[in-house]
Amino acid sequence: QVQLQESGPGLVKPSETLSLTCTVSGGSISNSYWGWIRQPAGKGLEYIGRIYSSGTTNYHPSLQSRVTMSIDTSKNQFSLNLTSVTAADTAVYFCAHSKQYCSAGNCYRYFELWGRGTLVTVSS
Amino acid sequence: EIVLTQSPATLSLSPGESATLSCRASQIVTAGFLSWYQQRPGQAPRLLIFGASTRAIGIPARFSGSGSGTDFTLTISSLQPEDSAVYSCHQDSYLPPTFGGGTKVEIK
Repeated sequence: QVQLQESGPGLVKPSETLSLTCTVSGGSISNSYWGWIRQPAGKGLEYIGRIYSSGTTNYHPSLQSRVTMSIDTSKNQFSLNLTSVTAADTAVYFCAHSKQYCSAGNCYRYFELWGRGTLVTVSS
Repeated sequence: EIVLTQSPATLSLSPGESATLSCRASQIVTAGFLSWYQQRPGQAPRLLIFGASTRAIGIPARFSGSGSGTDFTLTISSLQPEDSAVYSCHQDSYLPPTFGGGTKVEIK
């Protein structure tokens, strides 16, 4: 079955760039939407952004100036870059498959499958 | 941005009892874009319900979702010890997608 796995540094210094990669196994990354969501300790989930396999992106407005997502269909991977990080960016970062489809006149959109998450701490 | 308000913040119930979790949206949400997730400590969220009322593959029948407009409900009947978790609702009807703050379900 399809699995997602996040990878990247667990510690990033303030003002530097957080870079994470999500590797998709057991299925193709093509023709699908993929997302990044984060969760600060003890808090709720926060949408970061979403990318389609063609490279089309959507970012949270509050992060748009600092976020870039990319996708490499040859490697079945997609990536997140978050620049100028501060302690407020410390969180568990999840990658996820965003399923979207329409059937019998109804449309659906939800995060169907998630990676296990990776903790990123911003500290000097 | 659509705000999803979940209540109660915490539910403490005994095995076999039923839990009713509420999710209220600040604007009307299309039901097809409302979903529920279960998150056990240290684990990733797990999709329970999509389209407000459709159970995801492998989800036990004791989990059910309902609602429309701005008010949605997740019901867990006959609680099991493994249902101890935080439950979050999610809307993907408007950008940016948002999540509720979660309801923690504790099993006595």
